[in-house]
Amino acid sequence: DAGVIQSPRHEVTEMGQEVTLRCKPISGHNSLFWYRQTMMRGLELLIYFNNNVPIDDSGMPEDRFSAKMPNASFSTLKIQPSEPRDSAVYFCASSLGDFGEQYFGPGTRLTVT
Amino acid sequence: DQQVKQNSPSLSVQEGRISILNCDYTNSMFDYFLWYKKYPAEGPTFLISISSIKDKNEDGRFTVFLNKSAKHLSLHIVPSQPGDSAVYFCAARGSGGSNYKLTFGKGTLLTVNP
Repeated sequence: DAGVIQSPRHEVTEMGQEVTLRCKPISGHNSLFWYRQTMMRGLELLIYFNNNVPIDDSGMPEDRFSAKMPNASFSTLKIQPSEPRDSAVYFCASSLGDFGEQYFGPGTRLTVT
Repeated sequence: DQQVKQNSPSLSVQEGRISILNCDYTNSMFDYFLWYKKYPAEGPTFLISISSIKDKNEDGRFTVFLNKSAKHLSLHIVPSQPGDSAVYFCAARGSGGSNYKLTFGKGTLLTVNP
């Protein structure tokens, strides 16, 4: 069992650049979550997909953020254009159903200079 | 408005002693509570949970206590081991349409000294 896979693990980019974070959920899981962790706000849910469909994107901070799930084994979180305040650790998690235990990936540490 | 609060950013205990991590919540709609453990450079991993219909749940060295009237839960680790050193997150989930959503506290860094 490979667990949830995220790439890249670290990303350093300049303000204004586009950033794409990637996630491969655990095979068979039908729920996928993107979280952001910052010192100020802790871990907060950005968006939730169920069966590849976005169900709740109320946590997406701005229109600069977008997420897709083209199939059951892949999701992306894109920030365009990126800003220094987007610097954080971004986690992807997956679960079997709404109530299932959420398994987190190792996270992507994003630094925007 | 922080609905789940972990007021102690850090805690240090001696190996073999009890570790008690605390968590308070404000939303009375929360009915399921979880603790996650996180090592550096890894994602959080599920540790133990408790439903609001219970006041205690035990799993080996880990016990979670829930006091609904006080809107307070605690995680007890006994005996504490150096490998328990990690950040512990309290999380809560409500019933109803958004029952998939976990609301997390900011975490408590536990250090267990040999």
